[in-house]
Amino acid sequence: AQSVTQLDSHVSVSEGTPVLLRCNYSSSYSPSLFWYVQHPNKGLQLLLKYTSAATLVKGINGFEAEFKKSETSFHLTKPSAHMSDAAEYFCVRMDSSYKLIFGSGTRLLVRP
Amino acid sequence: KAGVTQTPRYLIKTRGQQVTLSCSPISGHRSVSWYQQTPGQGLQFLFEYFSETQRNKGNFPGRFSGRQFSNSRSEMNVSTLELGDSALYLCASSLDSGGYYEQYFGPGTRLTVT
Repeated sequence: AQSVTQLDSHVSVSEGTPVLLRCNYSSSYSPSLFWYVQHPNKGLQLLLKYTSAATLVKGINGFEAEFKKSETSFHLTKPSAHMSDAAEYFCVRMDSSYKLIFGSGTRLLVRP
Repeated sequence: KAGVTQTPRYLIKTRGQQVTLSCSPISGHRSVSWYQQTPGQGLQFLFEYFSETQRNKGNFPGRFSGRQFSNSRSEMNVSTLELGDSALYLCASSLDSGGYYEQYFGPGTRLTVT
């Protein structure tokens, strides 16, 4: 089945240090991939999307992700974490019928 | 431009009852999708409506249904509520159907079934 796997349920970083949230996908073709963020009591917000143009995708708030076909990965990174980045992050793929398939989520904690 | 609005934001129902949730998309958006979010199952796609027609459906029982009106507003209905239906129900709107258009999510309706 086509799916996404988020490798860490929780990631904790100190403010000002880099962030790495890991995501692997399974697909027989290059899929459309997304990262969404969900702050408490709020809806989901799109951070960035990959649609087979450039393999390095820049998103909002300083986040970026690199599509690596050989590793079937789409990890999310940010050079320097802010307290406001604390939230839950979802790696998402679009299936062949345009439905969004969500990963299980990674909760990012940012320590002062 | 106003975002996606969902009403009510919180709801408590009793097992066996039915419930209707409402979603107003961003002005001009014609596609509305619904998702269920639970701690155990995560985020799961329920269905998508476009131009008053269901375009896509997830793997949920027939107790879950929806509809879309001519102004693109959408409602979802859950009949014969079960405890397991307690969840955050999110709606998302996009300009059009298909994979090329970003989905904008509302804040959700938190349903508690007792």
